[in-house]
Amino acid sequence: KAGVTQTPRYLIKTRGQQVTLSCSPISGHRSVSWYQQTPGQGLQFLFEYFSETQRNKGNFPGRFSGRQFSNSRSEMNVSTLELGDSALYLCASSLDGNSGNTIYFGEGSWLTVV
Amino acid sequence: AQSVSQHNHHVILSEAASLELGCNYSYGGTVNLFWYVQYPGQHLQLLLKYFSGDPLVKGIKGFEAEFIKSKFSFNLRKPSVQWSDTAEYFCAVAGGTSYGKLTFGQGTILTVHP
Repeated sequence: KAGVTQTPRYLIKTRGQQVTLSCSPISGHRSVSWYQQTPGQGLQFLFEYFSETQRNKGNFPGRFSGRQFSNSRSEMNVSTLELGDSALYLCASSLDGNSGNTIYFGEGSWLTVV
Repeated sequence: AQSVSQHNHHVILSEAASLELGCNYSYGGTVNLFWYVQYPGQHLQLLLKYFSGDPLVKGIKGFEAEFIKSKFSFNLRKPSVQWSDTAEYFCAVAGGTSYGKLTFGQGTILTVHP
């Protein structure tokens, strides 16, 4: 079956703009989480959604937001982009986010802010 | 808060050498443990996971890991590495209030010389 799908794969934005990234989880998976990967900070958790509700949130400013739709697809939005937001944004999905769930990652969306 | 520590930032080996990458985590409750691998230019792929039961788990490509609860460790091993194992390896933990949120270690870059 299809894995976690993220779009777009690559994008370039200008400081001050906003960006929306999309994630389609593995079929049947209802928990979706987002991570930011940078060379300096490594992999950091942004947020997790389950049944259209944000269940966990990492330590990122309010410019980072997300949502989940009834079909479990998720989007994350970054407003007022800063140069430091340049990163690989990874989406992951699992069955229901409970113990014993394997967490699978998508290929990521490469964001460059100029 | 959970934290994960990987002992080595960069490991350099020759082909056929044995590998052990250390991982320690801080959370004392029930945890789900993962090792992911990221080959150059590629996304995170699951190597192996531990949820419960036999503390010695086997993964793909000949990798295995041992969970030692008393030491809060989940070390990754491979008896004989290949050039194709060159990649970055991440240890990750999920647990506590949410198993849908992963806390990652800093990553270990493995370089294998032919």
